[in-house]
Amino acid sequence: AQSVTQLGSHVSVSEGALVLLRCNYSSSVPPYLFWYVQYPNQGLQLLLKYTTGATLVKGINGFEAEFKKSETSFHLTKPSAHMSDAAEYFCAVSPAYSGAGSYQLTFGKGTKLSVIP
Amino acid sequence: ETGVTQSPTHLIKTRGQQVTLRCSSQSGHNTVSWYQQALGQGPQFIFQYYREEENGRGNFPPRFSGLQFPNYSSELNVNALELDDSALYLCASSRAGAGSNEQFFGPGTRLTVL
Repeated sequence: AQSVTQLGSHVSVSEGALVLLRCNYSSSVPPYLFWYVQYPNQGLQLLLKYTTGATLVKGINGFEAEFKKSETSFHLTKPSAHMSDAAEYFCAVSPAYSGAGSYQLTFGKGTKLSVIP
Repeated sequence: ETGVTQSPTHLIKTRGQQVTLRCSSQSGHNTVSWYQQALGQGPQFIFQYYREEENGRGNFPPRFSGLQFPNYSSELNVNALELDDSALYLCASSRAGAGSNEQFFGPGTRLTVL
């Protein structure tokens, strides 16, 4: 079984400040980890993913995340927030792929990011 | 490359009715997954289709059913609609064997049940 916990349903930062969105996961098998962003009335867009290899993953729009197995965490960061970053962010986990079996995504409840001018 | 498309964008139904939502997968993708996103929540996995067969199902009752067609497009059918079925329904396509489990999402269908 897999689960995701996102700490903080709502995070506010000033424009230009560091963005830190927290994600902890639980998985009985090696995980793949994802961050998605959702703008109002839209679908989900992939920001970045961790599968194997380097634990620091860089994504689009200046975001990055670090996979820490010992802490079962995959926190999302961005050095300097921009107004256009205001959106809802979802962390997700899936089993590491191993054939044509089901590899559903399990999502956290999301964190809404507000950017204050 | 055409992305994932869904139709309709919005839908209003009354309790007890039936609804069909449609999804066209991204070019080159052979797997379709459906998710339900209630207001203020993260998406929840309904089921996944691969090679026209159900390939995994979440904790949803049998009145949620689906199909995948030879061109990999898909339908989600919900019978006997309940008020709690009101949600954004997201379709995601992916390519089995790609090795990353990355799923590409459509814009969703907003279903309102009155």
